[in-house]
Amino acid sequence: KNEVEQSPQNLTAQEGEFITINCSYSVGISALHWLQQHPGGGIVSLFMLSSGKKKHGRLIATINIQEKHSSLHITASHPRDSAVYICAAAVVISGTYKYIFGTGTRLKVLA
Amino acid sequence: EPEVTQTPSHQVTQMGQEVILRCVPISNHLYFYWYRQILGQKVEFLVSFYNNEISEKSEIFDDQFSVERPDGSNFTLKIRSTKLEDSAMYFCASNTRIVFSGGASNEQYFGPGTRLTVT
Repeated sequence: KNEVEQSPQNLTAQEGEFITINCSYSVGISALHWLQQHPGGGIVSLFMLSSGKKKHGRLIATINIQEKHSSLHITASHPRDSAVYICAAAVVISGTYKYIFGTGTRLKVLA
Repeated sequence: EPEVTQTPSHQVTQMGQEVILRCVPISNHLYFYWYRQILGQKVEFLVSFYNNEISEKSEIFDDQFSVERPDGSNFTLKIRSTKLEDSAMYFCASNTRIVFSGGASNEQYFGPGTRLTVT
């Protein structure tokens, strides 16, 4: 069983729709990081959060530590939001932390 | 804005050959990491490095792999004798000291990746 699970695996939306991507984890974490990966492979940081909620533009991330669950929301989705969205659990290791990655959610937003 | 850089962007090598993937972390960062992503799969942790030594490594990081910070700026990943299954995208990452405080910005910053193809 994966320690970090994401759903859905694939998502197709129409432009303007509100999108939610979910992440559940079974490990103890210090923080959770939402990342975006474009077709070329590069990874872009979106949010890192250890409690509550963060907002940046049309993106909102929330985390519920007790339920070991985080969500990424995209309001007023646009075709340029099409990418793979990955949640990564920051797990403390010797003096630092490592990421355990989810499998990613492939989002396609249609014009 | 400072960024992590990686070279080359794409490396093609023959099975059994040695490869060195290079990374230049952000200059004031202290912790360095390598991750890999086999095509179509999730990103996986390989190794973390601090104060000129490995602080943790995964089971993937066997004796064929080594890391080094040969000078004050570069951080390298060497694969001694490449196998077909080493074909993947390799990401370097770095960050500053580790303090988790209400989601403070101590995230790891990723490089653009090196796509390694072993033939």
